[in-house]
Parts: sequence; structure tokens; C-alpha cells
Amino acid sequence: GEDVEQSLFLSVREGDSSVINCTYTDSSSTYLYWYKQEPGAGLQLLTYIFSNMDMKQDQRLTVLLNKKDKHLSLRIADTQTGDSAIYFCAEGDGTGFQKLVFGTGTRLLVSP
Amino acid sequence: DAGVTQSPTHLIKTRGQQVTLRCSPKSGHDTVSWYQQALGQGPQFIFQYYEEEERQRGNFPDRFSGLQVPNYSSELNVNALLLGDSALYLCASSRNGQGQPQHFGDGTRLSIL
Repeated sequence: GEDVEQSLFLSVREGDSSVINCTYTDSSSTYLYWYKQEPGAGLQLLTYIFSNMDMKQDQRLTVLLNKKDKHLSLRIADTQTGDSAIYFCAEGDGTGFQKLVFGTGTRLLVSP
Repeated sequence: DAGVTQSPTHLIKTRGQQVTLRCSPKSGHDTVSWYQQALGQGPQFIFQYYEEEERQRGNFPDRFSGLQVPNYSSELNVNALLLGDSALYLCASSRNGQGQPQHFGDGTRLSIL
């Protein structure tokens, strides 16, 4: 079955790096996604990675994928107070229909 | 270039009523998915529409139904509302094809009294 797990909370100081972790169970997942949700808003797509990749970098964001351990992480460099939000990891179900299975989200709090 | 737009923003209903939520996909997208996000939880997949047909469905009862029209816009209908249906309903659109990323609207906040 599909299941995605994330730690609930992360607190960092402005300027530090943040690392948000995620584990998933569906070995057939081919795409993994990171979304950001600010209060009262929908989900903003941050980045995604194909399962045949180990790493993807996009400006301040770095995604690492360990397919053997089914572990995904999102590193945010030089974290800013505007990065405070809930971050969701999601896996594509591998069928091609793009159904996404989400974790419960990690709340990131960045203090000045 | 408009992103995914949803209406209304907020809605208050009572138990037993029916509700219709609407979604216009991002320009160039032909696939629409609907998700339910309860407070403090991640979104849960309801169903997906492509070529005006429901092609995949999550674990939701038949009270939840939808449609897609030729311009790719979509509706989510919920009948016989329950208190537990209170949630943020999110619409996501994408191009058809494996791995195509889904882009979300800001959602409709549905409150059931």
C-alpha cells in the first residue's frame, strides 16, 4: 500500500540550512514531489524528482533521493523567514494517472 | 497566464445539503484532480478527470461526484453533507502523462454546521 511519512515540526534560525525528511512505501513510485503550503493558501509546487535520479538542485533547493531506503529529503539553503510554511512530500502512484499520495506535512518555523 | 482558479473561496452549508465546487485549470492543462484536505492533514485524493471522464478514484463514497466539460473545467459535487465533510477542497490541474506535475488552486473552504 501507499504511505508517506514526515516529521511534524522543524525549527531553524534565519540563514541556516533546513532539511525536511520523508519516507515512502510504494516501490513503484516513479516521481516524488515537494509542495509548500502557506496559511490559508493552496499548495505551491517547489520541485520534483524522477526515481532514476539521486539528486536535483534548483536554486536554494536540493532534493536527495535514496531509492533503496525509500527516503527523500528537501534541503533549503540560507533559510529565510518567508520560508516558514508547511512542506508536503508526495509520491506519484506509478500508474501514469498521476494520483498523488501526500504525507501529513512538516511545519517549518524560521526565527530571525 | 492564470493559474488554477477555484470558486467559491468559502462556503457554509448544513448537514444534508448538497454543494458544487468549481475549478478552472491552468492554461494548457487538460487533466483535473480533486483532493480533500482536513485540518492538520495532508490532501487526500478524491478523483481525477480526463477527456470528460473520471479515470481514477480514491477511497471516497458515491456522495462525491464530479464532471469535466470540453474546456477542461471541472466540478465537484457532494450530496447529503456530513459534519466530517468540512475541509479544504483543492483542485489540481496538469498535462496528461506520467510524471506531469500537478498545480494547485487556493482551494474552497467548506464548513458544515
